[in-house]
Amino acid sequence: KAGVTQTPRYLIKTRGQQVTLSCSPISGHRSVSWYQQTPGQGLQFLFEYFSETQRNKGNFPGRFSGRQFSNSRSEMNVSTLELGDSALYLCASSLGGGSGANVLTFGAGSRLTVL
Amino acid sequence: TQLLEQSPQFLSIQEGENLTVYCNSSSVFSSLQWYRQEPGEGPVLLVTVVTGGEVKKLKRLTFQFGDARKDSSLHITAAQPGDTGLYLCAGASNTGKLIFGQGTTLQVKP
Repeated sequence: KAGVTQTPRYLIKTRGQQVTLSCSPISGHRSVSWYQQTPGQGLQFLFEYFSETQRNKGNFPGRFSGRQFSNSRSEMNVSTLELGDSALYLCASSLGGGSGANVLTFGAGSRLTVL
Repeated sequence: TQLLEQSPQFLSIQEGENLTVYCNSSSVFSSLQWYRQEPGEGPVLLVTVVTGGEVKKLKRLTFQFGDARKDSSLHITAAQPGDTGLYLCAGASNTGKLIFGQGTTLQVKP
């Protein structure tokens, strides 16, 4: 079956712009989580959506937002981009049953560079 | 705040050597997962350990969950160049979030 698909894979923006990243989860998976990965901070949790509702949120400013559609596809948006937002943004899907042992399947990520 | 600390951060070894990566926390986790990430790809789940003291083997990889469920280790026997990658541990927090360690970058030279 198809894996987690993230688009675009690479993008370059300038400071002050905004960006929207897309994630299509594995068919049947209702939970989508977003992570920011940087060399200095590792994987930092952004938020998780389940059945179109934000179920968990990390410690990121309000410039970072997301949403989930009825088909479980998710988008995240970053407004007023800063240089420090340059990172690999990873999306992961899971069945989302709420168990702590949820198995995440990650996409290949969207590499954002802010100039 | 629950944190996971991995050590070492970087490891460069010769093919055939053994190695151990550690994942430690002062907090208890209901389960712990290990992922491997290769350049240009997302992390891929290797194993999930749930019970304190649990040991799981995956070919040359041995994973152990501490008795108190606060720490874990990954041991690789006779490492091969194909084992090269970033190894990440992740714990299921009490809020339902998966918390990741900083990762261990492993390079296995032929």
